[in-house]
Amino acid sequence: DVKVTQSSRYLVKRTGEKVFLECVQDMDHENMFWYRQDPGLGLRLIYFSYDVKMKEKGDIPEGYSVSREKKERFSLILESASTNQTSMYLCASRRWYEQYFGPGTRLTVT
Amino acid sequence: AQTVTQSQPEMSVQEAETVTLSCTYDTSENNYYLFWYKQPPSRQMILVIRQEAYKQQNATENRFSVNFQKAAKSFSLKISDSQLGDTAMYFCAFMKGTGANSKLTFGKGITLSVRP
Repeated sequence: DVKVTQSSRYLVKRTGEKVFLECVQDMDHENMFWYRQDPGLGLRLIYFSYDVKMKEKGDIPEGYSVSREKKERFSLILESASTNQTSMYLCASRRWYEQYFGPGTRLTVT
Repeated sequence: AQTVTQSQPEMSVQEAETVTLSCTYDTSENNYYLFWYKQPPSRQMILVIRQEAYKQQNATENRFSVNFQKAAKSFSLKISDSQLGDTAMYFCAFMKGTGANSKLTFGKGITLSVRP
C-alpha cells in the first residue's frame, strides 16, 4: 500500500512564527503536492513538485514556500504564519493518474 | 483553465437507497481524466472511481458507478445500496493528461449523509 504521511495531525502556532509541514511518501512517486482545504472552497493547490529540487506554483502560493531535497520528502514552509493561514493542509503524491493523499495537518495560527 | 463545478453542497440519503452526486466541468481538452474522491469525517481522502475521457464505457467499482456524458461535460457519481460508511465529503476532480506538470482541479465538494 502507498503511504503518504504528514508530520503532525494538529498544530498550533503563533502569528509570525516560521512553520514547517513535512510530508513523506514511500512509493517513489515523482509528483508531490500541497493543498489547503477550507469549508466551501474545496481543495486549492499551493505548490507542487515533479522532481527533486523542482517546484511549481499552484493557485495560491502567496505566503508559502516549499522544499524538496529528497524524492520522498516534500516540505511546506510558512515563512511568517498569519491567522488567515489557519486551515487543513493536505499533502499528496502521484504517479500517472493515481494520486494518494496524506491524513492532513490541521493548522491553527493564533 | 479547467473548472469543476459541484453545485449541491449537501445531500442526504436513506441507508440502502441510491443517490446520485452531480458534477460538471469545463475544458477544451480532448484527453483527460475524471475522478471522484471520498473524504470520510476526520479520515484520509481516497479515490473512489476514475474515468478516462477516451473511454465511452462508464466506469464501475462495486456499488459506485459514473454517468459520463462527454459532450455535456457531465460526470455524476451513483452510489447504490448506500451504507452508513458512505457518509463523507465527495470531491469531483479533473486532470489533463498524466504528464509531469499535470495536476488535479477539484470541485468544492459535496457532503453526503447516509441516514440509518
